[in-house]
Formats: sequence, structure tokens, C-alpha cells
Amino acid sequence: DGGITQSPKYLFRKEGQNVTLSCEQNLNHDAMYWYRQDPGQGLRLIYYSQIVNDFQKGDIAEGYSVSREKKESFPLTVTSAQKNPTAFYLCASSMRQTRGTGELFFGEGSRLTVL
Amino acid sequence: AQKITQTQPGMFVQEKEAVTLDCTYDTSDQSYGLFWYKQPSSGEMIFLIYQGSYDEQNATEGRYSLNFQKARKSANLVISASQLGDSAMYFCAMRERYTGNQFYFGTGTSLTVIP
Repeated sequence: DGGITQSPKYLFRKEGQNVTLSCEQNLNHDAMYWYRQDPGQGLRLIYYSQIVNDFQKGDIAEGYSVSREKKESFPLTVTSAQKNPTAFYLCASSMRQTRGTGELFFGEGSRLTVL
Repeated sequence: AQKITQTQPGMFVQEKEAVTLDCTYDTSDQSYGLFWYKQPSSGEMIFLIYQGSYDEQNATEGRYSLNFQKARKSANLVISASQLGDSAMYFCAMRERYTGNQFYFGTGTSLTVIP
């Protein structure tokens, strides 16, 4: 089945450690996105990528880094520079050129807790 | 300025009744898409319905319909015959053409269906 796979689902990190969240899609979508969601809040864009080897900062990119070496993969690294990393992270993808509805497809999310 | 505004943090509806969730948007682009997503407590984001800016008819998908009023820049979601499983967070989102197909999300509305 086509879809987006995020791993791990739950992650615990000590302060000062970098962690990497995985996101893989087999939908052949060009664009991929990372969002952060805090309790009771909406989604805030961290980074997005419209093509391989290219990505743009979203509204809250500080303390995060990404790479897009393959079309299928868009990993997110939460660095020690991110002051408040405990949150729910959602990866998504969409067709780059709007065809049909062009909606975002989401993974199941990764919940990061800093101890 | 907020691109997407959802003014109802929480809503209650009796089972089998209809409910309207409000969404207003702000854009100067002529070409855009409006989306509604449902997020149950499990955290996954479920795509519900889409409305294109050039669509003259209101979108419908089963019990979901989108009341699109372009001049007022509103895109309200109507859920008919509410069910207990409709209890969730609901997010309105917009995708603009000229910003490189970025998606903007509202802060969400928490809907509780009462038996």
C-alpha cells in the first residue's frame, strides 16, 4: 500500500542530544513537509522540500535540520539548539504540481519527549 | 496576518444533529485550494474534503460538505448527522499557488459529540 512511514513513533531524548526522525514515502510525491504540533495547537511548518536536493525553511526552522537526498526520504534532525523540542512531529507529502485536489498526505507522527 | 482563522476552539453537538465549523482565510492569490482535516486522539491527520478556488459548486463528501463563500473568504465545514466517532480536532488549511504550494493551517476546532 502507498503511504508515508514515520519512525520512531515514540522517542525519548536527553537534553543536549541530537535526534533524527525518519520519514519515507512511496507515493512518488515531489513535495515533502515537516510540521510540529504542540498540545492543543495547530500545525507549524518546520521545513519543506519541493524537489530532491532542495528545501526551504518554514516558520520555525531554528534548531532543526533536514536533507533531501532521495525523492522518497526527508529525515528531520532535532538538534541540541532546539530549546523546547518536546512535541508531536508530523511528516507529509503532496504532488508538487496541483493535480486533482493536491492534498497533503500525512504519516502517523512521531512523539518526541525530552527528559 | 493569519492566513487561516478558526474562531471556535471547542464545539459540542448532539448525536445525529448537524454542526458547522467555521473557517476564514486570507489570500490575494486567485488560485488556491481549501482543505479540511480531522485529527482523532490517535494523532493521525485524515483528509476530509477539498474546495478549489475556481469551483462554483460547494464540495460534498458523504456527510461532509463545505460551505464556500468566496466573497466573504469563508470555507465552513458542515457535518450532518453527527456520530460519536466524529469527536476529534478539525483543521482548516489552504494551499496557495504563488507561495510555492505551501500549506497554511488554522489552530483547529475541538468537536465533541454528545450521546
